[in-house]
Amino acid sequence: QSVLTQPPSASGTPGQRVTISCSGSRSNIGSNSVIWYQQLPGSAPKLLIYSNTQRPSGVPDRPDRFSGSKSGTSASLAISGLQSEDEADYYCAAWDDSLNVVVFGGGTKLTVL
Amino acid sequence: QVQLVESGGGVVHPGRSLRLSCTASGFTFRTYGMHWVRQAPGKGLEWVAVISYDGSNKYYADSVKGRFTISRDNSKNTLYLQMNSLRAEDTAVYYCAKDHFEFSTVTPGYWGQGTLVTASS
Repeated sequence: QSVLTQPPSASGTPGQRVTISCSGSRSNIGSNSVIWYQQLPGSAPKLLIYSNTQRPSGVPDRPDRFSGSKSGTSASLAISGLQSEDEADYYCAAWDDSLNVVVFGGGTKLTVL
Repeated sequence: QVQLVESGGGVVHPGRSLRLSCTASGFTFRTYGMHWVRQAPGKGLEWVAVISYDGSNKYYADSVKGRFTISRDNSKNTLYLQMNSLRAEDTAVYYCAKDHFEFSTVTPGYWGQGTLVTASS
């Protein structure tokens, strides 16, 4: 049982916009920045979004396709212009002030139909 | 460019010990907090531990507290994870990750490729 809650799966067709939600509590998302990772099949996770909305340099070409948002104790990752290469697992994370650990969501498997 | 290379994984009997290493290059190692995160086969990510840039602060997941020890040698640009009393449920790929911000311990950023630890008799 993960501390942060994500839907186990999401899907969309090429060109579509998809959002993935991440729900937490006051001690994690409510108090700290949300991080998003992309894990392609057989690869290590890669930082996608930090500080709720910021994209690191080196995010896949057309970096504006990936965007993050946060409101209260929930956050979302939006992927626009869906492409087949976006098929991956996506994880949210945040520091938890009560537990003094980084907590992860269970991950969302994105399928491009 | 940033490089993190984990080593030391392998097959070990439950109850035994193993030490993982993570050799860093391409950034100023001594100014970044460093994390260990693991992923059991077919499962999600589980954060394990973090150490501050100077080694003065360490935090652990409850699942490994008292059994695992994180440490670093800034003169060698190397991060370690000493794993004692290993259990079958510790079987996972172990990733080291550099914090995204200098002097921070809350944002795992760049990740290595991982090393597989299998605790099995």
